[in-house]
Amino acid sequence: DADVTQTPRNRITKTGKRIMLECSQTKGHDRMYWYRQDPGLGLRLIYYSFDVKDINKGEISDGYSVSRQAQAKFSLSLESAIPNQTALYFCATSDFRAKNIQYFGAGTRLSVL
Amino acid sequence: GQSLEQPSEVTAVEGAIVQINCTYQTSGFYGLSWYQQHDGGAPTFLSYNALDGLEETGRFSSFLSRSDSYGYLLLQELQMKDSASYFCAVRDTGFQKLVFGTGTRLLVSP
Repeated sequence: DADVTQTPRNRITKTGKRIMLECSQTKGHDRMYWYRQDPGLGLRLIYYSFDVKDINKGEISDGYSVSRQAQAKFSLSLESAIPNQTALYFCATSDFRAKNIQYFGAGTRLSVL
Repeated sequence: GQSLEQPSEVTAVEGAIVQINCTYQTSGFYGLSWYQQHDGGAPTFLSYNALDGLEETGRFSSFLSRSDSYGYLLLQELQMKDSASYFCAVRDTGFQKLVFGTGTRLLVSP
């Protein structure tokens, strides 16, 4: 089983719909992250969390929200999806003792029509 | 803030050596990391340099010069499976999160 699991792997939705992407991890890491990847733009940080009570905005948080339900679970929501949120989304985790090493899930490919 | 620059694409042939450069501008510095991502796959950690010099891991090596704000990833004995995108990343000292470059696509041909 994967250490960092994202669901769903693919999702097609319509403009204005609410969407939730889920991430769970079995690595026991305290830190979790949500990234968005667009062609030519690399990985851009949406939100990150260093523990259950700590949530921080990244560089592109507008239009997104997150919930850290437990140390192992970190979900990303699009309250009202729009077409320019079509992208590949990755969840990642890291341990406070090795902050430069992040472990990524397989990604969720989201299309907003 | 942080910014990183790396070439958008590099091409090479099997068996060759290729170097992927990364220059960065940061308000502080806590190490340079490299990640590999195959098409349709997840980024995976390759190497990390906190101090100046060369770190070697099998066919891959990573170099850092903090005085030049520069690093590179060296791939030796290239194989077709090395065709992927490679990202450099630095850690943001204020918020302890990684900032990624835009990636270098490596194409290895026979």
